[in-house]
Parts: sequence; structure tokens; C-alpha cells
Amino acid sequence: NAGVTQTPKFQVLKTGQSMTLQCAQDMNHNSMYWYRQDPGMGLRLIYYSASEGTTDKGEVPNGYNVSRLNKREFSLRLESAAPSQTSVYFCASKERGAVVFDYGYTFGSGTRLTVV
Amino acid sequence: QKEVEQNSGPLSVPEGAIASLNCTYSDRGSQSFFWYRQYSGKSPELIMSIYSNGDKEDGRFTAQLNKASQYVSLLIRDSQPSDSATYLCAPRPYGNNRLAFGKGNQVVVIP
Repeated sequence: NAGVTQTPKFQVLKTGQSMTLQCAQDMNHNSMYWYRQDPGMGLRLIYYSASEGTTDKGEVPNGYNVSRLNKREFSLRLESAAPSQTSVYFCASKERGAVVFDYGYTFGSGTRLTVV
Repeated sequence: QKEVEQNSGPLSVPEGAIASLNCTYSDRGSQSFFWYRQYSGKSPELIMSIYSNGDKEDGRFTAQLNKASQYVSLLIRDSQPSDSATYLCAPRPYGNNRLAFGKGNQVVVIP
């Protein structure tokens, strides 16, 4: 039971560099999400994908792009990293269930990104 | 107004006591809620979900939902040091609404 797998777990970038955070889930979930978490700020939604082929902006999308490659994979790209993007990034997935049988989000283990 | 509000200040409770956490929300369309626990340096994990007004109990955890007053709470009975974590409240998404988590309630259980 892999659940949600994120890679890499740690990354250090220089300002202006680009990188892609990878996320894959093996639970056949329709919806996938990218969050960032900063001290005192809680989890903030960057982008989400309600289903394969669709993506939508969340609360803090500036500086990021996403790709829902297929039902399993949802990647997050930083085109030109900035120190303000230093954060812990979590990918999550969720199945659309009936209210009474809703099991919530399943999170990956996170990517700790530092931009210097 | 932020969609979900939680008091993020640390709540210190002695071992064996009851920890009470509150979460208020602004979207009256939210029908059900999740409570997540997040240990330091780890990812959030689901501990409770509630969709009906009233109480829902699961072991030492009780979630309470009051849709009229737009708040949801979590009680942790017989608190243990292993309960020391941050507890996040989140509404179940519906329609095209954007998802929101509260900032979390940090709980510190003192042995």
C-alpha cells in the first residue's frame, strides 16, 4: 500500500532555478492537490485537479504550474524558484465519496524545499 | 474572512485531562468536516470525520458539529503525550469550492 508517493523528499535550489515535484497515487483517486505549509500559516492550497484533464488554481498559485499527467500523477513545477517558495510541499489525493463514506484526503510524506 | 478559523496558539494540557479544540467556518454550504492530526515533521493523517449535527465518538476522540453556529470541535479525552501534535480542521469539498484547512490547533500534553 504505497498510497501517495512524493519525490524528492528534500531539495535545495538556487534562486532562479527550476524544478518539478512529482506526485503519484495508487488508490485510483480522481482528485489530487498540492499544498504548501509554512510555519504559522497552516496548509495552503496551491493547485488542485478534480479529475484527470482538469486543473484549477487554489489560494496561492503564483509562481507555480501543474500538470495532471494521467489519473495517477500530478506534478508541480517551479519555473524560476524564489526564496519565498521555501516551504514544505504536500501532495494529497481524495476519492469523491458519499458524505457518509468519505475517507478524506490521503497525504504524501512531503517535500522539504529550500531556495537560497 | 478566512473560510476556516482555528486558534493556533499552543494548548497545554496535563496528561489524563481533556483537550478541547475549536474550529469555526464561514461557508454555510459545508456539510461535513475532517479532523487531521499532524506530528512535527510529518504529513497530516485523518483521525475523524463528521457530517451530522451532534457528537461522533471514536475511542478517546469526540467530534462535535453545530451547523447553525458554524463550528466544529474535537475533544481528546484522557490525553496522552502521544497526542501532542497539531490538529487541523477541514471542510469536505463540494461542487467547485476551493478547499481550505484551518491553521491548526497545537496541543502539548504534559506528563
